[in-house]
Formats: sequence, structure tokens, C-alpha cells
Amino acid sequence: AQSVTQLGSHVSVSEGALVLLRCNYSSSVPPYLFWYVQYPNQGLQLLLKYTSAATLVKGINGFEAEFKKSETSFHLTKPSAHMSDAAEYFCAVSANAGGTSYGKLTFGQGTILTVHP
Amino acid sequence: KAGVTQTPRYLIKTRGQQVTLSCSPISGHRSVSWYQQTPGQGLQFLFEYFSETQRNKGNFPGRFSGRQFSNSRSEMNVSTLELGDSALYLCASSQSQGPQETQYFGPGTRLLVL
Repeated sequence: AQSVTQLGSHVSVSEGALVLLRCNYSSSVPPYLFWYVQYPNQGLQLLLKYTSAATLVKGINGFEAEFKKSETSFHLTKPSAHMSDAAEYFCAVSANAGGTSYGKLTFGQGTILTVHP
Repeated sequence: KAGVTQTPRYLIKTRGQQVTLSCSPISGHRSVSWYQQTPGQGLQFLFEYFSETQRNKGNFPGRFSGRQFSNSRSEMNVSTLELGDSALYLCASSQSQGPQETQYFGPGTRLLVL
């Protein structure tokens, strides 16, 4: 079974500051990891995904994440926050665990990012 | 390509009624997954369909059901609605099967049960 823990339900940063959103996963088999963003009254948009090709993954809008197997982490970062980054961010895991994994993403509880001017 | 579309976007029902939600995947995508999003439980997996077959199901009661058509469009049905079924229902499509596949989400259907 897979699970995801996002540390911090709310993160607040100033415009121009570093954004760090934390995600730890648990998986009995090699995982695939995703970060999605959700703006109010919208669906989820993929920011980036890890599929074992490279541990440092670059995504859209200047975001990147680093897969650290030893720490079971996949934290999301952005060097300089912009007001438009304010949204809710979800980390998700999927894994090749046979029939119980088909089409299933397991999500963390989400982190709401607030950006102050 | 057009994205994932869901209809209707908003829905109000009363307890005991049933509801059908529709999802049209991205053209060429054969897998459709459904999720329920609530403030208390977050995002929870409902079920997944691939080539008209349900391959996986989450921990939801039998009142929640779905199907997929030959053109990959999918519907989900909730019978005997309860207040707790109020949620945002999200549909996602992916090109093929496999856990590495990216799921592309629609805007969701917001269901309010009174």
C-alpha cells in the first residue's frame, strides 16, 4: 500500500522568497511521484512527476522537486515565489502493485500556499 | 487537444435522489479515473476504467458506480444520495495503463446534497 504525508497544511511566504513544500511517501514497491496544483474552483494541474529517470525533476512555472529515496521524500521547491503561485498543492504517489494500483493516485492532504506582497 | 471535460459543473440534489455525472477524456486516452474531494477526507480514489472495464475500485459503498463507453467517455452514478456525498467529483484521464502515466484532470462537478 502507498501513502503520502504532506508536512504543513498551510505555508506562507513573501513574494520573491523560497517556496518549500514537503512531501514524504511510503511505498512497498518503487514509486512514481507527482505534484499537482489546484486553483480555486478548478481541477488539478500537473506540475511535475518522478518516474525514476532522474532524481531532480523540473516542472512548469519554475518548480522542481528532488526524489530522495533514503529520506522517502519528494519536496517541491521554487526559488522565488510569485503572487500567482498562491494555490493548494498536492503530492501524490502511484506504484506498480498489481490490480490494486490500476489508475489510482494516492494523495496527500494538500498544502495551501499563501504568498504575501 | 481539448482537455478533460465534465458535465454538469454544478449540481444540487436532495437526499435520497440519484445523480449521474459525465466525463469526456482527452482524445485518445483510454483510462478514466474518478476521485471525490471533500474538505475533511481530501482526495479519495473512487474507481478506474480502461477499455470499458472497471479495473480498480476504492473504498466506497456500492451506491457509487460507474461505467465507460466504447468511445472512452465515462459516467459515474450515485444512488440514494446522502448529505455526506456533497463533494467535488473529479475525473482524470490517461493515455494508457500503468502507474507512470500522467493523469489529466477535468474541472470537476461540484455536487451539493440538501
